[in-house]
Amino acid sequence: NAGVTQTPKFRVLKTGQSMTLLCAQDMNHEYMYWYRQDPGMGLRLIHYSVGEGTTAKGEVPDGYNVSRLKKQNFLLGLESAAPSQTSVYFCASSGLAGVLIGELFFGEGSRLTVL
Amino acid sequence: GDSVTQMEGPVTLSEEAFLTINCTYTATGYPSLFWYVQYPGEGLQLLLKATKADDKGSNKGFEATYRKETTSFHLEKGSVQVSDSAVYFCALSDLKGGSEKLVFGKGTKLTVNP
Repeated sequence: NAGVTQTPKFRVLKTGQSMTLLCAQDMNHEYMYWYRQDPGMGLRLIHYSVGEGTTAKGEVPDGYNVSRLKKQNFLLGLESAAPSQTSVYFCASSGLAGVLIGELFFGEGSRLTVL
Repeated sequence: GDSVTQMEGPVTLSEEAFLTINCTYTATGYPSLFWYVQYPGEGLQLLLKATKADDKGSNKGFEATYRKETTSFHLEKGSVQVSDSAVYFCALSDLKGGSEKLVFGKGTKLTVNP
């Protein structure tokens, strides 16, 4: 009963390096989200997807790209990492009914440090 | 735009104390309201919800009532336990654009001491 799985859980990058965070869900959910969590800032939405092959910008999309080639996977990419992208990243998913009642299922988070 | 404002923490209580975490919101329509909880080292999970005015959400001894007149959704628990130590997030739903996105408050960290 995996739910939402994020990989990697920890990563240290140098400024300018690129990387991809993978989110996988096994609940056949339509909606998937990427948030970042920073001290004193709460959760901020980066990008989201309402179905396979679709993506949309959230509140803080700059510096990030996403892809949803398969329904179960939602990838978050950093093409050229910056220290301002040091954060904890959370993926979440929701089925149609879950979206209507606000029930998102979250992964355990990926802690990224950019030096 | 829609927004959520929570009381700033951290909040430190002794076991069996009464808990209130304030949450107020700004929304143009009629949002649904939620409390999420994040235990140390974990992702967020839904604690309770209310979808219309005067609804009361409850779970695990926690309660919150949707007050439209004061635009509030305060979280309460009569007797906290050490295991309630976590970060609590108030959130509202945003139905704009045809898809639902949640708008989160900044979170309130609760520490309960034995």
